[in-house]
Amino acid sequence: DTGVSQDPRHKITKRGQNVTFRCDPISEHNRLYWYRQTLGQGPEFLTYFQNEAQLEKSRLLSDRFSAERPKGSFSTLEIQRTEQGDSAMYLCASSSSTVNTEAFFGQGTRLTVV
Amino acid sequence: GQQLNQSPQSMFIQEGEDVSMNCTSSSIFNTWLWYKQDPGEGPVLLIALYKAGELTSNGRLTAQFGITRKDSFLNISASIPSDVGIYFCARRPPNFGNEKLTFGTGTRLTIIP
Repeated sequence: DTGVSQDPRHKITKRGQNVTFRCDPISEHNRLYWYRQTLGQGPEFLTYFQNEAQLEKSRLLSDRFSAERPKGSFSTLEIQRTEQGDSAMYLCASSSSTVNTEAFFGQGTRLTVV
Repeated sequence: GQQLNQSPQSMFIQEGEDVSMNCTSSSIFNTWLWYKQDPGEGPVLLIALYKAGELTSNGRLTAQFGITRKDSFLNISASIPSDVGIYFCARRPPNFGNEKLTFGTGTRLTIIP
């Protein structure tokens, strides 16, 4: 499978714990995005990388959230001191600026904070 | 928050019927995208539109980029059970280099047996 891969698919955590999600983009894609989707809503943009540089962050990304893409390949999204309001589907997408593709999404990580 | 108005919010149809949904915005954009999302999965790109008036088909799906550049519609002909899911429109801001997508709230399609 050469699509966008996310791990884990599901995560249940207690409030106050830290969680980390991983995204592996399509191998030749240099752009990587994180979105969050709550029930009944469309995905909302969180942040975007071109290679290893984080170029834009949404105001939705509070201080408890941090994303990295250290080598310009896979990315991690960490949420510290999780709150119940963080429960959502976290989606990763990737695209290429050199061949001008639209974003392809992974299957997402469903986070439930109890 | 969301700036795209998508309608209808939900549709209940019988297999074989045609479906039409649309998306409107108060602002002009250069790109309209249509995605489909199955339960527990990520969105899958169906059709991308880049020019006002553009009409593009993908199998039984047809989408158009409105002349005013503020709206788009998606039609599905002769619906089948695997068409069930949530359909999202999305747009990219016009400023060059900004890749952030804004999604509509979705149209949930249900096929009644």
